[in-house]
Amino acid sequence: LAKTTQPISMDSYEGQEVNITCSHNNIATNDYITWYQQFPSQGPRFIIQGYKTKVTNEVASLFIPADRKSSTLSLPRVSLSDTAVYYCLVGDGWKAAGNKLTFGGGTRVLVKP
Amino acid sequence: ETGVTQTPRHLVMGMTNKKSLKCEQHLGHNAMYWYKQSAKKPLELMFVYSLEERVENNSVPSRFSPECPNSSHLFLHLHTLQPEDSALYLCASSQVPTDSGANVLTFGAGSRLTVL
Repeated sequence: LAKTTQPISMDSYEGQEVNITCSHNNIATNDYITWYQQFPSQGPRFIIQGYKTKVTNEVASLFIPADRKSSTLSLPRVSLSDTAVYYCLVGDGWKAAGNKLTFGGGTRVLVKP
Repeated sequence: ETGVTQTPRHLVMGMTNKKSLKCEQHLGHNAMYWYKQSAKKPLELMFVYSLEERVENNSVPSRFSPECPNSSHLFLHLHTLQPEDSALYLCASSQVPTDSGANVLTFGAGSRLTVL
């Protein structure tokens, strides 16, 4: 079952682009890649989801190489309000990250002025 | 209201009290979830309900008792809790694909529980 690995933390500055890479070497054919954002004392919020190649929405871009063993969440021109924990989940329907929709430790992004 | 609503937002209870957390989703989803998030720990999946049937119970102590009376409402009944049960309890809902496919969770704001 797919398990994800992401950096524990990243620092950035306002206006910069932030790229967070998630490794998922055992991704299965039916698995989708989903990213969530969580602010302190709030529930996670869906950011973006993809299966292959590139997906872009008004908040972020998701790059998935052809082998799908990793993915990169790209946050363009971050602001202080983008300081949060970002989670990568890989799974299909009920299953994600080796268990039923279990979140890993996530990446804590700190945006500095 | 839209989205997933949790009440109360904050709850303080003694170890001998009985209380309940409530979750309501207005999204027409077919699955609901309880997660626990302790300080500096990843989210832990507690229970999953699909079409009002419990499909997942992640080895949660019996002092936590879920109830899903219909597809829009989910409760977590609490009794004789321990101080280590103090955490943020998050409810989520989703429209689970019938076969394979993407599953996106929509979370509520959470209920912050403190057990004295």
